[in-house]
Amino acid sequence: NAGVMQNPRHLVRRRGQEARLRCSPMKGHSHVYWYRQLPEEGLKFMVYLQKENIIDESGMPKERFSAEFPKEGPSILRIQQVVRGDSAAYFCASSPQGALAGELFFGEGSRLTVL
Amino acid sequence: SQKIEQNSEALNIQEGKTATLTCNYTNYSPAYLQWYRQDPGRGPVFLLLIRENEKEKRKERLKVTFDTTLKQSLFHITASQPADSATYLCALGMDSNYQLIWGAGTKLIIKP
Repeated sequence: NAGVMQNPRHLVRRRGQEARLRCSPMKGHSHVYWYRQLPEEGLKFMVYLQKENIIDESGMPKERFSAEFPKEGPSILRIQQVVRGDSAAYFCASSPQGALAGELFFGEGSRLTVL
Repeated sequence: SQKIEQNSEALNIQEGKTATLTCNYTNYSPAYLQWYRQDPGRGPVFLLLIRENEKEKRKERLKVTFDTTLKQSLFHITASQPADSATYLCALGMDSNYQLIWGAGTKLIIKP
């Protein structure tokens, strides 16, 4: 039973380009969360999605960032016109039920470097 | 202001001893608290969850306590081993929303 799969593991972009990060949740999980982590800092919540619905995007910047979780296929976190401050590790997590119910299962993260 | 704090400095423990990590918070009323382990370059891995009405939870060599009066959780690893070396993260969960509030983590080093 495969865990949460994220790709790419590493992504290098120049300022102004677009970054697309993909996340396939664990089999049977319909809840996906995206977190951002900077070195020596805690994880920061970005967005919570269920299939075809954004439940809570309060942690995601209104501009340049978007997320989706289509009926078929992985969840995608999209960052347009990247800036150096977007460099971070982006983690996706999934759960079979909502976050209130218990543990999150994390992927290995996508590390974005903006040159 | 709301804060969640973990030991910012690395914790060095001799193999075989008990390691105790601290998670303190202010101006939150969490419904539950979770502990995760994170290895370098990897994603967090869930260890334990403790609810506000529980004082203590155990799992093998791990023990977590939750004191809502002191606003503190302690995470213990007994009979520590070098393989326990990692960063340990605590996260607060509220009944009112889906977000977990994360501490920055404590780096634990178990010396042989």
